[in-house]
Amino acid sequence: DAGITQSPRHKVTETGTPVTLRCHQTENHRYMYWYRQDPGHGLRLIHYSYGVKDTDKGEVSDGYSVSRSKTEDFLLTLESATSSQTSVYFCAISSRDSNEKLFFGSGTQLSVL
Amino acid sequence: DAKTTQPNSMESNEEEPVHLPCNHSTISGTDYIHWYRQLPSQGPEYVIHGLTSNVNNRMASLAIAEDRKSSTLILHRATLRDAAVYYCILILRQGAQKLVFGQGTRLTINP
Repeated sequence: DAGITQSPRHKVTETGTPVTLRCHQTENHRYMYWYRQDPGHGLRLIHYSYGVKDTDKGEVSDGYSVSRSKTEDFLLTLESATSSQTSVYFCAISSRDSNEKLFFGSGTQLSVL
Repeated sequence: DAKTTQPNSMESNEEEPVHLPCNHSTISGTDYIHWYRQLPSQGPEYVIHGLTSNVNNRMASLAIAEDRKSSTLILHRATLRDAAVYYCILILRQGAQKLVFGQGTRLTINP
């Protein structure tokens, strides 16, 4: 299994509070992605990174920011959490060396009350 | 970003073959066709990928149309553990890219 760790695995927070989710990889893969998954919507891309300090927006980036200061870590921040951001969040990694295969983390269940 | 279209759901019986279709009429010459599946309460996992030729691995086979505008994931002998949501996605050989998943196909396997 690819070395991807998402933390925390579960989090409950209140509306208006900041939340940071962490994705940590030990594979030295260049590309990293954050997705959210909601019933009836499949996987939706929030942000992605193509290198240290290089990030771009995905389909549903409003209300989210990301940072990648090291190859191994990709942080997703909800500056002021809202109930609509209650979701399961998945991190994924890929690289040319892996033939662009995506490897996913186990997910973070976030509940915003 | 190239899009894919899949049926929302399919149903099959245990130990029978399953053919999961995917349409990708706007595919470019540098797009690889990838398939992933997501078991309940888990993250998606890689199944198979290909460019032009049909591909086989221990999990499945991938049949790619000659014009590459469609592909079919083949599970040769479905088991109950194959019940999952299957996603077809196009991925460039290299470079930064928005990897957009569709809704996928929810596969139900009947005992």
